[in-house]
Amino acid sequence: DTAVSQTPKYLVTQMGNDKSIKCEQNLGHDTMYWYKQDSKKFLKIMFSYNNKELIINETVPNRFSPKSPDKAHLNLHINSLELGDSAVYFCASSQSSGPPYEQYFGPGTRLTVT
Amino acid sequence: DAKTTQPNSMESNEEEPVHLPCNHSTISGTDYIHWYRQLPSQGPEYVIHGLTSNVNNRMASLAIAEDRKSSTLILHRATLRDAAVYYCILSSTTSGTYKYIFGTGTRLKVLA
Repeated sequence: DTAVSQTPKYLVTQMGNDKSIKCEQNLGHDTMYWYKQDSKKFLKIMFSYNNKELIINETVPNRFSPKSPDKAHLNLHINSLELGDSAVYFCASSQSSGPPYEQYFGPGTRLTVT
Repeated sequence: DAKTTQPNSMESNEEEPVHLPCNHSTISGTDYIHWYRQLPSQGPEYVIHGLTSNVNNRMASLAIAEDRKSSTLILHRATLRDAAVYYCILSSTTSGTYKYIFGTGTRLKVLA
């Protein structure tokens, strides 16, 4: 069983479109995250939810809107896609939001905007 | 935010120990030090973490300098499967909420 899964694995779309990436974890964790890894492989936190409540919201354009329908799911919707949004997006989860808790990452979604 | 500095790449021979350094001179007293690694085309995976004392687990050891301004990840016997990008990360808190601050990572190449 996959602990943290993401769909789709690859997403190719045109500028201006709206797209969503879904994430599900079956670990019973309370906290979930979205990270962005750019072409230089630099990983940066975007959002974090704890028990469906937004606790981290980095300086991300408001075209990006996370939604957590329940503790096991955290989706990322992106409006009006731009070329600079091309990246690999990783979902992660942890038992709780404190530092001692290991984060489990999904396999990533490679978004290409043309 | 506190930052980490790592060498871009390192090489090691198989079966030999590997010491991966990380500088974090601006670390604050509540920042934990984490190491994750990322194999090609995969998400990062946890390796080890610590706060002040040295730590050991089945994968690696973490040696933390007394002033906490640097740390070293030690792989005791490198295997080909250990070839990956290793990230030294600080978990930094703002108002009680922690977030990971990733470094640029060290690409470890293991030679057979």
